[in-house]
Amino acid sequence: QVQLQESGPGLVKPSETLSLTCNVSRGSISTYYWSWIRQSPGKGLEWIAYITYPGTTNYNPSLQSRVTISVDRSKNQLSLKLTSVSAADTAVYYCARGDPGFLDYWGQGILVTVSS
Amino acid sequence: DIVMTQSPDSLAVSLGERATINCKSSQSVLYRSNNKNYLAWYQQKPGQPPKLVIYWASTRESGVPDRFSGSGFGTDFTLTISSLQAEDVAVYYCQQYYNTPWTFGQGTKVEIK
Repeated sequence: QVQLQESGPGLVKPSETLSLTCNVSRGSISTYYWSWIRQSPGKGLEWIAYITYPGTTNYNPSLQSRVTISVDRSKNQLSLKLTSVSAADTAVYYCARGDPGFLDYWGQGILVTVSS
Repeated sequence: DIVMTQSPDSLAVSLGERATINCKSSQSVLYRSNNKNYLAWYQQKPGQPPKLVIYWASTRESGVPDRFSGSGFGTDFTLTISSLQAEDVAVYYCQQYYNTPWTFGQGTKVEIK
């Protein structure tokens, strides 16, 4: 059973960069699609981006100018960077495996709060 | 973007009774070349991530009880819980994966009456 675990800072200051990592265990990151999704009370579930190894990416246009998704195959790890954050980026961030578009395995999520 | 609209926003059903949730997409999510509807349903309980329940509009995910079923095609879809159990209390979301950006409905909260 594939397991995903998000990690990163729970608090980020406005205008700074949010950086998250997702460790994938019991499965290879070299197959399937790997996504980041976020959930905030105001906007519900929002798909952010996906990546397939070795590096095909697809971003939500609403965030594309600020988002970078990447994969480290040697660590079996997925990463997310979101620049110039504001309070509107406060949310629970999930990583998930896509097959390719339905999301069959999810991490537990990490709450990221943007505040000074 | 494809807009997904669920109805109702919430519903209360007696234990053992049927629960029906609707999802409408702003454009068809049926891919005619393979006759598949690119529509999934998720269940989310408090403090937990969403859990895949149904994909391809009507295929039940492994391990999901058979009281859950999905139907519909094109733009109109339904998730049915044939006999509501206490453990089914959750928020349910539909999602289209026909086009990026993949988009979700706003969610339907299912409670016990």
